[in-house]
Amino acid sequence: KQEVTQIPAALSVPEGENLVLNCSFTDSAIYNLQWFRQDPGKGLTSLLLIQSSQREQTSGRLNASLDKSSGRSTLYIAASQPGDSATYLCAVRNNAGNMLTFGGGTRLMVKP
Amino acid sequence: ETGVTQTPRHLVMGMTNKKSLKCEQHLGHNAMYWYKQSAKKPLELMFVYNFKEQTENNSVPSRFSPECPNSSHLFLHLHTLQPEDSALYLCASSQAGTGGYEQYFGPGTRLTVT
Repeated sequence: KQEVTQIPAALSVPEGENLVLNCSFTDSAIYNLQWFRQDPGKGLTSLLLIQSSQREQTSGRLNASLDKSSGRSTLYIAASQPGDSATYLCAVRNNAGNMLTFGGGTRLMVKP
Repeated sequence: ETGVTQTPRHLVMGMTNKKSLKCEQHLGHNAMYWYKQSAKKPLELMFVYNFKEQTENNSVPSRFSPECPNSSHLFLHLHTLQPEDSALYLCASSQAGTGGYEQYFGPGTRLTVT
């Protein structure tokens, strides 16, 4: 059974800092991996989807990397801003179907 | 309305009540999902519907009863719930079929069972 872990569970940084969020998964036979953002009490917003054949994906200040063999993904946020404060969730898909397995999330606070 | 909408946004119900959560997607998708997000636990998939047919039931208790009358609408009927069922219930949609398609989420319904 796939298990997804995100470390750290919470992170507080000053504005402007570059930071890395970590995601690890136990079964490396994944189809793709998705990073989401969740604001308090709100739904999820998809940030990046990285296919198993890809090593990284970039969107603006965000860069997600994937090392399938070691069961790891990282989300790099450059020049963090207070508006980046949210919970970041990593989810993996083990086949081409619908099932996503989520990690517990990293709660990020960026202080002005 | 755009994207995925959910109503109500907040719901308080007693253990003997019957209520329903509604989800509607305006994205032309054919797959819809219910997820449960409890405090301090990862998001859990509850049900999946593809082309109105239920294709996944993740061992969900029968006090949760989903209904998908068409590809745009999904309901979750609730009856005789327990306090531990209090959570944020999220609906999502995507293209159906084998392709590992991106899922789009609604804002959720915050449910409190008293």
